[in-house]
Amino acid sequence: KNQVEQSPQSLIILEGKNCTLQCNYTVSPFSNLRWYKQDTGRGPVSLTIMTFSENTKSNGRYTATLDADTKQSSLHITASQLSDSASYICVVSRSYNTDKLIFGTGTRLQVFP
Amino acid sequence: DAGITQSPRYKITETGRQVTLMCHQTWSHSYMFWYRQDLGHGLRLIYYSAAADITDKGEVPDGYVVSRSKTENFPLTLESATRSQTSVYFCASTGQEYQPQHFGDGTRLSIL
Repeated sequence: KNQVEQSPQSLIILEGKNCTLQCNYTVSPFSNLRWYKQDTGRGPVSLTIMTFSENTKSNGRYTATLDADTKQSSLHITASQLSDSASYICVVSRSYNTDKLIFGTGTRLQVFP
Repeated sequence: DAGITQSPRYKITETGRQVTLMCHQTWSHSYMFWYRQDLGHGLRLIYYSAAADITDKGEVPDGYVVSRSKTENFPLTLESATRSQTSVYFCASTGQEYQPQHFGDGTRLSIL
């Protein structure tokens, strides 16, 4: 069964600290993996997208990694800010089908001062 | 302003009524999508469209109808609303199949 599982479900950190969010998937065939940030009451916003051949991609303080062999990805947030408080959603795309995005349920991150 | 907008942002209706959610994008993107987001579930695809007059079912299409007569608009209609359709609905668009999708800010729909 095609699934995307994220951990932890929720996370609380202090401002300025780093954190890492995990994503494991069992999607086949694999095309690309995406990370989205969703603020409360808003739509998801794309952070990164990685294909099979890419194992790291950065977007400012966000760095995503991909291990296609173990089917794992992580999103590392450096020097967290209050504005990083949001849900982070891992999405895996199956090859060839634009409609075949498998969404994880997200990690809810709260950054406190 | 350029972007993707959904209306209304909030809607309360009764079971059995017809309701239409609107989605408008200004990028002339070919692909448009409708998702629903429920607690405990990832976003689930309802319908998508690859171009004007071309639509196809997603994972959870039952009870929904879409149309796309113009590239920029992609309305979603619940023909006879049921309580199980209470959800947050997101519209998205993209110009290229493997590019990130751009999401609207959602419509929160409550069916009493």
